[in-house]
Amino acid sequence: EPEVTQTPSHQVTQMGQEVILRCVPISNHLYFYWYRQILGQKVEFLVSFYNNEISEKSEIFDDQFSVERPDGSNFTLKIRSTKLEDSAMYFCASRTGFNEQFFGPGTRLTVL
Amino acid sequence: QKEVEQNSGPLSVPEGAIASLNCTYSDRGSQSFFWYRQYSGKSPELIMSIYSNGDKEDGRFTAQLNKASQYVSLLIRDSQPSDSATYLCAAFGNFGNEKLTFGTGTRLTIIP
Repeated sequence: EPEVTQTPSHQVTQMGQEVILRCVPISNHLYFYWYRQILGQKVEFLVSFYNNEISEKSEIFDDQFSVERPDGSNFTLKIRSTKLEDSAMYFCASRTGFNEQFFGPGTRLTVL
Repeated sequence: QKEVEQNSGPLSVPEGAIASLNCTYSDRGSQSFFWYRQYSGKSPELIMSIYSNGDKEDGRFTAQLNKASQYVSLLIRDSQPSDSATYLCAAFGNFGNEKLTFGTGTRLTIIP
């Protein structure tokens, strides 16, 4: 069964460093998302992406964040200058034209 | 602010009994609703979706939606220890708000 994949599973970085989180959505899906979950808190929407552009972003998704679909399969989230408060699980999700979103296994980002 | 509210629990249910999980949402424009199961340290796993008022059954799971009351529920029949997890309720919005808004989740423990 097709699934969303994410790499790396765990990323440790120093504050102020740039990180790139990678995702491969399900192949026939058209809409792509990034969510994050700080430990013990709810899953929060960051950004949605459709037809090679951002369709919606949350207040969390400030100028430090960017997304890209560099080729036909990958979908990346870049954080330019990480802060301590960026430490969280980051989930990629994708969907077809229907609304059911399927989540990848997540990347645990730890900012020291 | 569009919110999804859940009782955080923990909810303890004997093995073989029915577990009942509830959720309310504030955005009347929400068009579809989802239940995700999340094991500790793992990503959300889609278990049920519901789009119209009434009941929807899938195996041991039944989702119920009442748009007038802005209420969604999930029943788990014949509860098994493997059902012990956090259950996340999520609402998907209308055009221009096409993202999932999650509740904080209800932690369910099935007692053998």
